[in-house]
Amino acid sequence: GNSVTQMEGPVTLSEEAFLTINCTYTATGYPSLFWYVQYPGEGLQLLLKATKADDKGSNKGFEATYRKETTSFHLEKGSVQVSDSAVYFCALSGQGGTSYGKLTFGQGTILTVHP
Amino acid sequence: DTGVSQDPRHKITKRGQNVTFRCDPISEHNRLYWYRQTLGQGPEFLTYFQNEAQLEKSRLLSDRFSAERPKGSFSTLEIQRTEQGDSAMYLCASSPPGLAGTNEQFFGPGTRLTVL
Repeated sequence: GNSVTQMEGPVTLSEEAFLTINCTYTATGYPSLFWYVQYPGEGLQLLLKATKADDKGSNKGFEATYRKETTSFHLEKGSVQVSDSAVYFCALSGQGGTSYGKLTFGQGTILTVHP
Repeated sequence: DTGVSQDPRHKITKRGQNVTFRCDPISEHNRLYWYRQTLGQGPEFLTYFQNEAQLEKSRLLSDRFSAERPKGSFSTLEIQRTEQGDSAMYLCASSPPGLAGTNEQFFGPGTRLTVL
């Protein structure tokens, strides 16, 4: 079945540091890949997505590239801010068949950014 | 606010009691999903509706769980004879018509269930 593995957390950075959160996946066919974010006290919201190999998703300074050859979708940001402190989830959605767009999530990575 | 809403936000119950949660999706969205999230883990898929039809149910879901979406609008998730292992955050999400696999899902704030 489908699975997503994220790097172990928590991650603690100083403001303006570079961020990478690793994500690898196992899936049949050609899944779509997502990063969702959960800010303190809020619900999950989509951060970015990529729906085919070599696509790059980007939003709010975050980027991730769909690498089919390494089955990865690592999240990066060049300069983090305190307001980026949140829990980040990598997820995939299978294509076709009976997947119906259901999401398979990684375990989440807690990011804390200090001033 | 026209996002996904869930009610109640918190529920504390005693083991063996039945509980029911409600989800109101975004009005134009025909797809509705339920997920369960335990502490320190990502959400896990429970069940899926397209309009009023329940098209998939996870093997994680025991017979004590049932979900409905009458008229293809709001949905309810009922847990009968609750157990302490049912304690979790129950999330509802909806997505619009189109290619299901690529569409963003919009999540509600969740219902936190505590079974004593």
